[in-house]
Amino acid sequence: AQTVTQSQPEMSVQEAETVTLSCTYDTSESDYYLFWYKQPPSRQMILVIRQEAYKQQNATENRFSVNFQKAAKSFSLKISDSQLGDAAMYFCAYRSPPDKLIFGTGTRLQVFP
Amino acid sequence: KAGVTQTPRYLIKTRGQQVTLSCSPISGHRSVSWYQQTPGQGLQFLFEYFSETQRNKGNFPGRFSGRQFSNSRSEMNVSTLELGDSALYLCASSGTWDRGTEAFFGQGTRLTVV
Repeated sequence: AQTVTQSQPEMSVQEAETVTLSCTYDTSESDYYLFWYKQPPSRQMILVIRQEAYKQQNATENRFSVNFQKAAKSFSLKISDSQLGDAAMYFCAYRSPPDKLIFGTGTRLQVFP
Repeated sequence: KAGVTQTPRYLIKTRGQQVTLSCSPISGHRSVSWYQQTPGQGLQFLFEYFSETQRNKGNFPGRFSGRQFSNSRSEMNVSTLELGDSALYLCASSGTWDRGTEAFFGQGTRLTVV
């Protein structure tokens, strides 16, 4: 069965600094997708970034980028120039269609001024 | 474009009662998924519907059921509520169910069972 592991329950970063959140997954599938979602105190899950497994190039969305290591089954999220509004729970998620979306346990990110 | 709308936002029920939660997906989206979020268990998948058919199902007891209507709106029902059903219930919509398209989430329904 596919699993997603986030080994960092909490992380903290100073405003304007860079932080990396870790995620590993286990799968025997070749066709799958990986996601990072952000859940601020408002509780609404917001998609941060998406990566297709068949693409070697790492996805980037403004200050957010991933380091996708397919062989190592690792999918970390890097947040550059951290802002106070980045404080939230971050969930790594995996999907191999048509199966369900599977989430990790989350990492709580605190941003200090 | 309106986002995913879940109603009600908050709900308090008594043990043994039943409850129905509603989810309206983004216009044009035909896939709706439901998740239960608790501090102890994290995000647990309940079920996924596409074109009124259940496509995926999580490991929840039969007290949890759902359905999807022809306009893609979905409802989730929990019968004989237990204290452990207290949770945030999240609904997500996407364009398809068999591809890696991203899921867009609603703000959730906070259910408290007393």
